[in-house]
Amino acid sequence: EADIYQTPRYLVIGTGKKITLECSQTMGHDKMYWYQQDPGMELHLIHYSYGVNSTEKGDLSSESTVSRIRTEHFPLTLESARPSHTSQYLCASSEYPPRQGMNTEAFFGQGTRLTVV
Amino acid sequence: RKEVEQDPGPFNVPEGATVAFNCTYSNSASQSFFWYRQDCRKEPKLLMSVYSSGNEDGRFTAQLNRASQYISLLIRDSKLSDSATYLCVVRNFNKFYFGSGTKLNVKP
Repeated sequence: EADIYQTPRYLVIGTGKKITLECSQTMGHDKMYWYQQDPGMELHLIHYSYGVNSTEKGDLSSESTVSRIRTEHFPLTLESARPSHTSQYLCASSEYPPRQGMNTEAFFGQGTRLTVV
Repeated sequence: RKEVEQDPGPFNVPEGATVAFNCTYSNSASQSFFWYRQDCRKEPKLLMSVYSSGNEDGRFTAQLNRASQYISLLIRDSKLSDSATYLCVVRNFNKFYFGSGTKLNVKP
């Protein structure tokens, strides 16, 4: 089992509320990612980080923000939730390949299913 | 153009069948290749890495053709428990790109 945890697993919240989705990993991975996935659809990268104090926007534009103050922690924040933010948010982490030619996979948390009403 | 393209399926097969999935990727500089499995409303989990020499894990065989930028997954003797969505994944430098997934339904 991967040592990457997301909380909460499910969240139903009203429009306009500020929310933070938590993601923590105990594997010491430098790289962490946030993906957004609607039911039956593909994963879209919305944020990633190469290490502490490094954050980058992903390929899908998102109104959310992230921070990386500690290696193990990569929270995602929505300042004002809207119904269009309803989706599943998946956090992942990986390590740098220790040597050329090695495949190092991404490990996923169990996801947060967010519903904004 | 998408980084990774897959046939969405669904593939509906009887138990015991052999089924093959394919995907193509657009960036010839891609470094690592994987097949993930995702069950309904769950997170993706690594099924197997894919190497140029081809690799096998029990009933599953993966192949990579770098010249054609083509990845395949073969499942032999399908089980009911193989029903899931199979994601083709490519790593370019520090980012992972996921295909939209191929849905497999194994019927009794």
